[in-house]
Amino acid sequence: DGGITQSPKYLFRKEGQNVTLSCEQNLNHDAMYWYRQDPGQGLRLIYYSQIVNDFQKGDIAEGYSVSREKKESFPLTVTSAQKNPTAFYLCASIGGREKLFFGSGTQLSVL
Amino acid sequence: RKEVEQDPGPFNVPEGATVAFNCTYSNSASQSFFWYRQDCRKEPKLLMSVYSSGNEDGRFTAQLNRASQYISLLIRDSKLSDSATYLCVVRGGRNDMRFGAGTRLTVKP
Repeated sequence: DGGITQSPKYLFRKEGQNVTLSCEQNLNHDAMYWYRQDPGQGLRLIYYSQIVNDFQKGDIAEGYSVSREKKESFPLTVTSAQKNPTAFYLCASIGGREKLFFGSGTQLSVL
Repeated sequence: RKEVEQDPGPFNVPEGATVAFNCTYSNSASQSFFWYRQDCRKEPKLLMSVYSSGNEDGRFTAQLNRASQYISLLIRDSKLSDSATYLCVVRGGRNDMRFGAGTRLTVKP
């Protein structure tokens, strides 16, 4: 089945540690997105990529980094510079009729 | 100023009621508009796209006013299963997709 796979489902970060959230899609979509969602709030755009080897900052990129070396993969690294990383992270890609396809999310918590 | 702003809610309505949500966007170059629905701690699902002429899908009607940079969603004859958070989404000129903060709807028996 085609779709977006995010892993892990739950992730714990220690103080000063970088962690990487995985996002893989087999939908052959060009554009991919990372969002952060805090409790009771909407999705905030972290980074997005329109094509391989290209990505742009969203509204809250500070403390995060991404890469897009392959069309299928768009990993997000939460660096130690992100002082408040606890949140639900959603990866998405965009398909026909501009519909966003989402992964099932990663809940990141700080130990 | 946020690029996409929504009524904060929450909206608590009885079954059968009509409820309307509003959303404004700041970027006049925005190209496409959508309403998504999100159930608790799950990924958002596309409810409907919003077209310039307005569009309807069963009990749901969406409207767009480009001059006022405003979109709306009307739900008629609310059902218990409509309880969710409704998210306004705007696509910018660089394929950036931005969400509003969401409006929570609870439909009560």
